[in-house]
Amino acid sequence: AQSVTQLGSHVSVSEGALVLLRCNYSSSVPPYLFWYVQYPNQGLQLLLKYTSAATLVKGINGFEAEFKKSETSFHLTKPSAHMSDAAEYFCAVSESGGYQKVTFGTGTKLQVIP
Amino acid sequence: GAGVSQSPSNKVTEKGKDVELRCDPISGHTALYWYRQSLGQGLEFLIYFQGNSAPDKSGLPSDRFSAERTGGSVSTLTIQRTQQEDSAVYLCASTTRKAGAADTQYFGPGTRLTVL
Repeated sequence: AQSVTQLGSHVSVSEGALVLLRCNYSSSVPPYLFWYVQYPNQGLQLLLKYTSAATLVKGINGFEAEFKKSETSFHLTKPSAHMSDAAEYFCAVSESGGYQKVTFGTGTKLQVIP
Repeated sequence: GAGVSQSPSNKVTEKGKDVELRCDPISGHTALYWYRQSLGQGLEFLIYFQGNSAPDKSGLPSDRFSAERTGGSVSTLTIQRTQQEDSAVYLCASTTRKAGAADTQYFGPGTRLTVL
């Protein structure tokens, strides 16, 4: 069975500082991995996804994530935080070769301090 | 174009009452999901519909929960005899299913259910 673990339910960074949100996954087959973002009072939207092509994936708003099979990780980074990045971020995994049942992590709430 | 819509946006009900939540997926999307988002719990999968195939109901927490999808489009999630622990945000998502398991899910804004 697939699963996802997000370390840290709350992360605070200063404006302009590096953003690092951690995600580790478990999957019995090659996974597909996703990061979704939920801004206050809005629905979730896709930030980026890994689909077995390039291991470094670039997404919207300057975010990127690197798939590391040896570490079973898919951490989300952004070099310089902006106030508008304050939101909740969800890592998700689905398994290739089957129908798309996606398992989401419990989310990390990012606070950006001016 | 139009995104996924859900109604109502907020629903307050009394314990023991039945509620119906509606989801209108993006036109042409064949796959539809329901999730429940509780505080600190992330997204909990409830049910998945794909075209004319039998739905995957493995995430429904009890037999008080049911869902249907009529005509391959609109879906209704019904909760019978609501309990206070049913209070949560119920999210609907749809996908095109062109790429299978790598599909992007498009989420609606959710229905916030409060059971008093």
